[in-house]
Amino acid sequence: GESVGLHLPTLSVQEGDNSIINCAYSNSASDYFIWYKQESGKGPQFIIDIRSNMDKRQGQRVTVLLNKTVKHLSLQIAATQPGDSAVYFCAERVTYGNNRLAFGKGNQVVVIP
Amino acid sequence: DAGITQSPRYKITETGRQVTLMCHQTWSHSYMFWYRQDLGHGLRLIYYSAAADITDKGEVPDGYVVSRSKTENFPLTLESATRSQTSVYFCASSERNVGTEAFFGQGTRLTVV
Repeated sequence: GESVGLHLPTLSVQEGDNSIINCAYSNSASDYFIWYKQESGKGPQFIIDIRSNMDKRQGQRVTVLLNKTVKHLSLQIAATQPGDSAVYFCAERVTYGNNRLAFGKGNQVVVIP
Repeated sequence: DAGITQSPRYKITETGRQVTLMCHQTWSHSYMFWYRQDLGHGLRLIYYSAAADITDKGEVPDGYVVSRSKTENFPLTLESATRSQTSVYFCASSERNVGTEAFFGQGTRLTVV
């Protein structure tokens, strides 16, 4: 399939529990962040985004937290379901240079039924 | 169907050959992007385009050429394929500028032998 999930940090979660996926970003000047989900054999799929003037944003079953002091981003998934099994990665928008997204390497989430 | 499609899904080519990966989107999004995804590197931007006939380099453009004669198409050409270009390639499109929510294709797995 078209995904790269081997040799990634792996989080095993029991179905129904909450999941927390962490991401350390590199650039204090980044002003926008996105979480993506990538299932095996598929392209990345947008989950939720957050701007640097916020510290929390909620979506359906997902919450993103941003701590600019320590340059840390987290994604919380409530009541994890088997369909949540995937690779999750964060991306930051670098606001200088060619204004592009820089992606993290990803975390594998495995939901145990 | 509406969306973003890549072709081919899989390709094996020999070192030194020219190969073109196709990307087509039906949303009339202004922005289109090409990424490569490799173990240990996450997604890296190769080239992007803000509109028809406007393209710009990303993080890893060497060895690649793009064109955008029509808004809906954004082909990526490897002029003389090398083994280091073995990767999974993703095309993406978005309504607004680089860094906002992007929709990804299914990917093309390219192997250079």
